[in-house]
Amino acid sequence: GAVVSQHPSRVICKSGTSVKIECRSLDFQATTMFWYRQFPKKSLMLMATSNEGSKATYEQGVEKDKFLINHASLTLSTLTVTSAHPEDSSFYICSASTGRGSSYGYTFGSGTRLTVV
Amino acid sequence: GENVEQHPSTLSVQEGDSAVIKCTYSDSASNYFPWYKQELGKRPQLIIDIRSNVGEKKDQRIAVTLNKTAKHFSLHITETQPEDSAVYFCAASKAAGNKLTFGGGTRVLVKP
Repeated sequence: GAVVSQHPSRVICKSGTSVKIECRSLDFQATTMFWYRQFPKKSLMLMATSNEGSKATYEQGVEKDKFLINHASLTLSTLTVTSAHPEDSSFYICSASTGRGSSYGYTFGSGTRLTVV
Repeated sequence: GENVEQHPSTLSVQEGDSAVIKCTYSDSASNYFPWYKQELGKRPQLIIDIRSNVGEKKDQRIAVTLNKTAKHFSLHITETQPEDSAVYFCAASKAAGNKLTFGGGTRVLVKP
């Protein structure tokens, strides 16, 4: 089945630094990648949708200059948290749309636990 | 945009009993309704899904029902076991390549 590899699984960084999270589709081409953030005991909240070769579409309230998304190839999408602050500490997870037509679905990366100190 | 409401937020059941989680959605164009089980610090794991051309689907102890007219769908777990304890999320989407909108989640505790 479709597999998305997400790295790193956990990262600790200092306030003010930037962190890059990568999601790679291993056995399929991910035209669309979705980036979610999940706070403890909360649901997954969509941050942005990225399409290969075009600018990401951000959800209302998500700062596009802070959360930089790049989807330069059909197998790699990255999320960079710039000038991270403690309030950015969260679980970030990517998801790729798979299949087409009436048989589509989604596959998730394993998530990245970001802690900003 | 789509809004998915999920109830209850917590559910405690005795081992062997059934558990039911309900979700409503707002966008009548939604046609794909997956259910995910998530354990702490892990990715959501698809446990069952249903598409809008079907009213019910079953997989062993798990079943999902969909009422398109009322715009709600439900997850049924029978003969619950302690390993069913986790957080469950419903979600909705309306086309391939479209975003998946999640419900708020239900924390299920199965007491032995």
